[in-house]
Order: sequence, then structure tokens, then C-alpha cells
Amino acid sequence: EDQVTQSPEALRLQEGESSSLNCSYTVSGLRGLFWYRQDPGKGPEFLFTLYSAGEEKEKERLKATLTKKESFLHITAPKPEDSATYLCAVQISLTGNQFYFGTGTSLTVIP
Amino acid sequence: DAGVTQSPTHLSKTRGQHVTLRCSPISGHKSVSWYQQVLGQGPQFIFQYYEKEERGRGNFPDRFSARQFPNYSSELNVNALLLGDSALYLCASSFLPSTEAFFGQGTRLTVV
Repeated sequence: EDQVTQSPEALRLQEGESSSLNCSYTVSGLRGLFWYRQDPGKGPEFLFTLYSAGEEKEKERLKATLTKKESFLHITAPKPEDSATYLCAVQISLTGNQFYFGTGTSLTVIP
Repeated sequence: DAGVTQSPTHLSKTRGQHVTLRCSPISGHKSVSWYQQVLGQGPQFIFQYYEKEERGRGNFPDRFSARQFPNYSSELNVNALLLGDSALYLCASSFLPSTEAFFGQGTRLTVV
């Protein structure tokens, strides 16, 4: 059965304390892995797309990496405005183009 | 440029009623997808449309239906509402079905 698991469920960091969020997946025929940021009551905001193992993408304090079984979202020196829920989603070629989302990691950055 | 727009932003309905949610994609995007997000969970795929044709359907009952119009906007219809249909309904648009999706702000549906 295809699965997407994110860990931890919640993470509290002090401002400036770097950390990583994990997204592990067991799917057949991965087409792409996507990271989104979601603020309370709003729609997810697109961050990154990763297509192949070894690929890395960066944006400001965020860096996403991909292996054959998992992806990491590294947050360097986070600020309070980075507080949000971070969602990963996989796109599976065998079942068309729909995204399968994990349940997300709720990040709180304390000033 | 306008992003994905959804209407209404909030909606309250009674059990058994019908609801229609609307979505306008980003200009130039021809694919629209619908997702349901229950509090504390990730979005769950409902439908995907591309060039007015259904390209994918998630594991939702037949009470859920959708369509895409010639201008690429889309409607999601839900019949015979149940309390469990209360959720944030998200619309996402993409240039192609396989490319990254950009989400709207969602419609918060409450069924009482």
C-alpha cells in the first residue's frame, strides 16, 4: 500500500536553532515529491519539487533533499515567521497525476 | 497576477442539502484538482480535470461530482451533505496535470 509519513508531527525550535523535517514514502513509481507550507486556515503554498534521488533545492532558509525512500526539509537558523505546517506530497505515475499528502509537521519557532 | 481563487470562502449548510464550490485557476493553467482537508490531516485528493475532461478520481462517494468549463474554471458539487463532509475544500491549478500545483485559499464548509 502506498504511504507517505511525516515526522515529527510537531516541532518547537528556538529562533536560530536549525533542524530537519522528514518525509518517508513507500510508493511504486514515484514521479515527483513536493513540499508545501500551510498557514492556519489557508491553502498550501508551493515550496519545492524534487524528481530524482540526490536532487536538492534551496530557497532562503529552506533546503529540500531527496533519496530513494525519503525527503528532508532542512531549516537553517529559523525565524518566527517560518512557523507553519509543512506538508510533503508524492505524485505517483501509475495512478495518474494526483498528489498523496502526508499529515504534515507543525513547526513553531519561538523568538 | 491573480492566484487561484475560490468562492465562497466560508459556507454553512444543513445535513441533506447540496453545495456547489467554485474555483478559478491561475491564468494559463488548464488543469484543476480538488482536495478535501479535515482538521489535522493532509489534503485528500477528490478529482482532477484537464481540458474539461476528468483525469483522476479519489476514493470519495458518488455524492461528490465536479466539472470544468471551457474557461478552465471548475465547480465541485456535493449532494446529500453529511456532518463528516465538514472540511476545508481546496482547489489547485497547474499548467499540466503532472506539474506542480498551486492552491487557492480554500472554502471552509461546515455542515450542521
